[in-house]
Amino acid sequence: DVQMTQSPSSLSASVGDSVTITCRASQNINNYLNWYQQKPGKAPKLLIYTASSLQSGVPSRFSGSGSGTTFTLTISSLQPEDFATYYCQQSNSRPPTFGPGTKVDVK
Amino acid sequence: EVQLLESGGNLVQPGGSLRVSCTASGFSFSSYAMSWVRRAPGKGLEFVSLISDNGASTDYAESVKGRFIISRDNSKNTLYLQMNSLRVEDTAVYHCAKDMDDYGEYNFDYWGQGILVTVSS
Repeated sequence: DVQMTQSPSSLSASVGDSVTITCRASQNINNYLNWYQQKPGKAPKLLIYTASSLQSGVPSRFSGSGSGTTFTLTISSLQPEDFATYYCQQSNSRPPTFGPGTKVDVK
Repeated sequence: EVQLLESGGNLVQPGGSLRVSCTASGFSFSSYAMSWVRRAPGKGLEFVSLISDNGASTDYAESVKGRFIISRDNSKNTLYLQMNSLRVEDTAVYHCAKDMDDYGEYNFDYWGQGILVTVSS
């Protein structure tokens, strides 16, 4: 199985900050990388698919980049509703696997 | 608005069986693959199973293969997961998730809130 890692595991930030989360795959996954946001007790929400495509309805302050084994999710100006946990997921090979998550909380 | 609502979670003894369901609305259910993804306490998200739009193709994680069966009833807009020979390590919140396409490329664009399945004696 493809192993996914994320860094950092958590970070503290303020409203208006720019935040970057890194996801790494244990092997080449081309650009088959998705990013999700999850808040406690809520369903995960797709933000970015195929590394850099913004899901419909997701604010443009979210962006993704990368290819191969290293990917990033950037939130350009953190908003109050963005405090949540973020997960990456590869869909290049089965089984699909998820990163352990990055929790973004209030500084 | 796409909605996915899971039901059927419960406490079950090891070795027992349980069926959970996911009722979908707000999209053409029969046109998309569907999956189950779970999160065990203190652990990350884990893919469990996928079924294609017409049910002809299925996929399972190794950890549940031979014990779990995924199915769907397109006339009822409902996805099912029959879980047999349950183990303590199957304890988790189970989410149903819609795929972005019909066959199943493991890109999950909508998820349910999840239902808790607890396996304990």
